[in-house]
Amino acid sequence: ETGVTQSPTHLIKTRGQQVTLRCSSQSGHNTVSWYQQALGQGPQFIFQYYREEENGRGNFPPRFSGLQFPNYSSELNVNALELDDSALYLCASTQGGAHTDTQYFGPGTRLTVL
Amino acid sequence: QQQVKQSPQSLIVQKGGISIINCAYENTAFDYFPWYQQFPGKGPALLIAIRPDVSEKKEGRFTISFNKSAKQFSLHIMDSQPGDSATYFCAASADGGGKLIFGQGTTLQVKP
Repeated sequence: ETGVTQSPTHLIKTRGQQVTLRCSSQSGHNTVSWYQQALGQGPQFIFQYYREEENGRGNFPPRFSGLQFPNYSSELNVNALELDDSALYLCASTQGGAHTDTQYFGPGTRLTVL
Repeated sequence: QQQVKQSPQSLIVQKGGISIINCAYENTAFDYFPWYQQFPGKGPALLIAIRPDVSEKKEGRFTISFNKSAKQFSLHIMDSQPGDSATYFCAASADGGGKLIFGQGTTLQVKP
């Protein structure tokens, strides 16, 4: 286990609704990245937060937004849900500083949009 | 430019055999190449990673071979075991801890 936790485990929403997913990073890690993993695909980078500021964003529309809190936990918010948003959402935490490469993933939140 | 191409899509190996998964990239700015293992219902777990300044890295039964000139890298799993049956992803990053670009994944089945 990596020490990265995510909640909820599973979530079912309907098209047009909004959703908030949560991530608690590994102790001592100040950087959190979010990824979307569609069924049978590799994870795709959504964005990264470092010390509460967005630090890079992938090719996702603005209705995907995030927050990082002073304790380095993080939220992913998705507005106006679409059917194609159904996926496993993963967060990964990184130590930062001199050891920035290794990203440790949580178990993910499975989102189903009906 | 940002893609990482992974092959094969699926692989069946007998217990005790060698599993080999290959990845190719285009972006010469990539400087970090990890491999992740993912079991159903779980998040990806880091197996082993390499930087371009070495051509090979070994950790237990797992070895990464890296060919900078060909822009290719591969994962070798020696003495493959049924417990190794999982999906494997290669990835690459250009900015040390930032955006990871993942391959499409390889589903490995190790037969007893």
